[in-house]
Amino acid sequence: DTAVSQTPKYLVTQMGNDKSIKCEQNLGHDTMYWYKQDSKKFLKIMFSYNNKELIINETVPNRFSPKSPDKAHLNLHINSLELGDSAVYFCASSHLSGRVDEQFFGPGTRLTVL
Amino acid sequence: QQPVQSPQAVILREGEDAVINCSSSKALYSVHWYRQKHGEAPVFLMILLKGGEQKGHDKISASFNEKKQQSSLYLTASQLSYSGTYFCGTLLYNNNDMRFGAGTRLTVKP
Repeated sequence: DTAVSQTPKYLVTQMGNDKSIKCEQNLGHDTMYWYKQDSKKFLKIMFSYNNKELIINETVPNRFSPKSPDKAHLNLHINSLELGDSAVYFCASSHLSGRVDEQFFGPGTRLTVL
Repeated sequence: QQPVQSPQAVILREGEDAVINCSSSKALYSVHWYRQKHGEAPVFLMILLKGGEQKGHDKISASFNEKKQQSSLYLTASQLSYSGTYFCGTLLYNNNDMRFGAGTRLTVKP
């Protein structure tokens, strides 16, 4: 069983469209994350979320919004896609806050905006 | 707040050793090390919490200096499977968000 899964694996879309990426973890973890990895492999946190608190990285445009229907899922919605949004997006989870726990990463979603 | 990693890239022959450094301008709560192979997700290696701590498994180990501002990852007798990009992730005392270094690309050749 895959611990952290993401769909879709690849996403190609036009500028201006709205898209979503889904993430599910079956580890029973309390905290989930979204990361963006750009073409230079720089890995940057976008959001961290547990059932009590959403923490948003201040540099993330408000076109990006996480939505969590339950503890095991954290989806990423992106409105009005731009060329600069092209990247690999990783979902991750950890048992507690992630301060002392390892994070388990999903396989990634490669988003290409044309 | 992003840690500084060095070197950016290193090429080794099988059996050689490498050291990857991760530095912060502020004292850190913890340092996490991850390895990412091409086209795959980052995979956790280890976490260090205490100043002066050293830990490791197999031939990959890491240290955290006393001031908790620098960590080093040591790869000894490297194997082909060690190839990949190594990231350090750091957490400050007043923040729960992990900040990753720019990565060190390690290539091990036969």
